[in-house]
Amino acid sequence: AQKITQTQPGMFVQEKEAVTLDCTYDTSDQSYGLFWYKQPSSGEMIFLIYQGSYDEQNATEGRYSLNFQKARKSANLVISASQLGDSAMYFCAMRKIQGAQKLVFGQGTRLTINP
Amino acid sequence: DAGVIQSPRHEVTEMGQEVTLRCKPISGHDYLFWYRQTMMRGLELLIYFNNNVPIDDSGMPEDRFSAKMPNASFSTLKIQPSEPRDSAVYFCASSSIDRGPEAFFGQGTRLTVV
Repeated sequence: AQKITQTQPGMFVQEKEAVTLDCTYDTSDQSYGLFWYKQPSSGEMIFLIYQGSYDEQNATEGRYSLNFQKARKSANLVISASQLGDSAMYFCAMRKIQGAQKLVFGQGTRLTINP
Repeated sequence: DAGVIQSPRHEVTEMGQEVTLRCKPISGHDYLFWYRQTMMRGLELLIYFNNNVPIDDSGMPEDRFSAKMPNASFSTLKIQPSEPRDSAVYFCASSSIDRGPEAFFGQGTRLTVV
């Protein structure tokens, strides 16, 4: 079974600072994918970034990067130069690459950016 | 592309009534997922389909819940009879391995059972 743990229920950060959201995972699969989604107060789920377990380099998408440490089973999201619009819930998720395509989500971290 | 389309966006119903939630996945996607989000339990996968066939319905809470996908462009999630504890946001998502690893979510249906 797969499990995602996000230990930070809430985080408060000053605008323009970098922020790291923690995510650890547990799986017996050799091949898997890790995802981050953003859920603003309006409620939609927005895909941010993906990392495959065999990718040697950390994924980056604009101001988002994924700090992937396979041995530690961690997949932290780093947001550089935070903006007020980054205030939202952030969910880490994972799924197998082969076979079942279902995403398993963590409990989420509520990020608040202060001006 | 219009994205995943869910209807209705909001639904308020009385306990015991039948509720039907609808989803139109992104064209060409062959996976469709139904998730439920509550404060207590977070995001839970209820059921998912591949090429219109249910693959895993182990997350469906009980027999009151049923889901169908009669064709590649439409799916329903039905609750009969509804109970107050079914109040939640229900998301539909779709994906295709050929088009990328991520699943795309609809706007969700906020269900309130009174």
